[in-house]
Amino acid sequence: KAGVTQTPRYLIKTRGQQVTLSCSPISGHRSVSWYQQTPGQGLQFLFEYFSETQRNKGNFPGRFSGRQFSNSRSEMNVSTLELGDSALYLCASRTAGDTDTQYFGPGTRLTVL
Amino acid sequence: GEDVEQSLFLSVREGDSSVINCTYTDSSSTYLYWYKQEPGAGLQLLTYIFSNMDMKQDQRLTVLLNKKDKHLSLRIADTQTGDSAIYFCAENGSYKLIFGSGTRLLVRP
Repeated sequence: KAGVTQTPRYLIKTRGQQVTLSCSPISGHRSVSWYQQTPGQGLQFLFEYFSETQRNKGNFPGRFSGRQFSNSRSEMNVSTLELGDSALYLCASRTAGDTDTQYFGPGTRLTVL
Repeated sequence: GEDVEQSLFLSVREGDSSVINCTYTDSSSTYLYWYKQEPGAGLQLLTYIFSNMDMKQDQRLTVLLNKKDKHLSLRIADTQTGDSAIYFCAENGSYKLIFGSGTRLLVRP
């Protein structure tokens, strides 16, 4: 079974731009979560989607948004990019339940100049 | 509050055992996880333990859980150079994982 895939793997943007990252979950998984990883803050939860509904959201500004499609694929968007948004963005998928194991993709490395 | 703590660095000799420690805060966490991250890669699930268990063994990996002290440890037997990576413990929250800061394991030949 194919793992979680994320595109693109690397991205360079400038301040003020916006960016969209994509995540395809493991086949059969209906829940997708997003995390931001930075050297200073570590791994922080952004949001989680199940059946196109956001079930939980982390403590991030409104510039960070996401959505999930009917085929369980998910996208996250960051508008008005800031230097501090430079990070590895990780997507994880699981079957459905809150305690189901999450499997992570390779991440998208975003650099904001 | 939500705070999972780990020591930052561990150095061991190849062939020795490694023990990585973690303390967590939420006694209602159902599962506790260990993930491994190699340079430039995502997180690889190593193992997990259900909160009503004290120990779980999976090949070279042994997880110990002390619920009273909210302490979790990961023991890697016969540590190899390929085990050099960052190890994260995590507890499950409400539809999310809460991660520690990660322990960088360096295995010396």
